Amino acid sequence: DAGVIQSPRHEVTEMGQEVTLRCKPISGHNSLFWYRQTMMRGLELLIYFNNNVPIDDSGMPEDRFSAKMPNASFSTLKIQPSEPRDSAVYFCASSLRLARGTDTQYFGPGTRLTVL
Amino acid sequence: SQELEQSPQSLIVQEGKNLTINCTSSKTLYGLYWYKQKYGEGLIFLMMLQKGGEEKSHEKITAKLDEKKQQSSLHITASQPSHAGIYLCGADQYNFNKFYFGSGTKLNVKP
Repeated sequence: DAGVIQSPRHEVTEMGQEVTLRCKPISGHNSLFWYRQTMMRGLELLIYFNNNVPIDDSGMPEDRFSAKMPNASFSTLKIQPSEPRDSAVYFCASSLRLARGTDTQYFGPGTRLTVL
Repeated sequence: SQELEQSPQSLIVQEGKNLTINCTSSKTLYGLYWYKQKYGEGLIFLMMLQKGGEEKSHEKITAKLDEKKQQSSLHITASQPSHAGIYLCGADQYNFNKFYFGSGTKLNVKP
């Protein structure tokens, strides 16, 4: 298996532009997670999908952020409009969640976003 | 994350020395996970602990979960430069829909 695939690996954009990050989870996994990592705040869970359904999006910073999972093999995280404070590394992770405490998440390489 | 506290925040050791990283939760854990991250890269899964008192080892790394399932330690024996990186603990806590990570421990191993 190729593991979790994220694209693009690097994104530089200007403030106000729309940014779309993409993720392909590991085949057969039923859960998908979007995280944001910064020096100041560490690794933060933004949203979690189970069987393509958003379960908890309480970590999404504000309405400028939205995430979708139209099918089991693809998810997007969109920021519109982007702001400099959105600059961070965004990770996607997937897992086969069978029960509580069995959730080994496998991470993608991340997308490094810079908003100028 | 305030839910999981890691210590120390950073660690510099001489190659060959042993070291321990701790992860503490104020709430009972249903699963405790250890990951390693190298700068600019994603997280690599190391080990998962579920049962109180459980201990797992992989090569020179040993992780333990206490009986109360609120504290875990990661121990590296005879450290090597390849062990350098950021170690993070993650946990599935009382809320099924939440997954938390500690703030990480930066490890530097001097040759």
